[in-house]
Amino acid sequence: EVQLVESGGGLVQPGGSLRLSCEASGFTFSSYSMNWVRQAPGKGLEWISYISTSLVTIYYADSVKGRFTISRDNAKNSLYLQMNSLRDEDTGIYYCARDRSRWFDSWGQGTLVTVSS
Amino acid sequence: EIVLTQSPATLSLSAGDRATLSCRASQSVSSYLAWYQQKPGQAPRLLIYDASYRATGIPARFSGSGSGTDFTLTISSLESEDFAVYYCQQRSNWPRGTFGQGTRLEI
Repeated sequence: EVQLVESGGGLVQPGGSLRLSCEASGFTFSSYSMNWVRQAPGKGLEWISYISTSLVTIYYADSVKGRFTISRDNAKNSLYLQMNSLRDEDTGIYYCARDRSRWFDSWGQGTLVTVSS
Repeated sequence: EIVLTQSPATLSLSAGDRATLSCRASQSVSSYLAWYQQKPGQAPRLLIYDASYRATGIPARFSGSGSGTDFTLTISSLESEDFAVYYCQQRSNWPRGTFGQGTRLEI
């Protein structure tokens, strides 16, 4: 069974940093590109970052470019999101999602990030 | 940026009814469109990809159609577990992608 488990969320002050992790199991992690998607409280979904299998190709949404860094460790079956210079509007649930032929076919349960003073 | 507009924002129906949800793109996305279902407190689930293909394990009452800029998700006969929020997503400019704002399907 495919499983994605996010961790690392929490309360952080504006301007602070946080590192999210997503641990994968039940499939060959190194064979799939991965994404981070977030959802502000009571709002819709926003794709924020993509990383290819070999780490060569990385993309960010304009809203996080220059502040967030996506990475992965295929040996540890893990995906990461380093979030710096956090803003109030970064508050929300962060999901990791497996990329299969363009679509997000598996999602984690999400981890909540709250940016507040 | 390609903008997806979903309508209606809220759809009120009863079990057994037919539901028709719309997603319109600001420019052509070919058939690079998917639909996701999200229930309260849960992660989204992929229902339809490439506009009209059902994802693994999705019941046949869910169907998708359309291409270019206009897309439709149809649920032929609503069951109680179908009441949720539905999002469309385009990835014509993969790996970037955008979601619609969602349609809430309520009883």
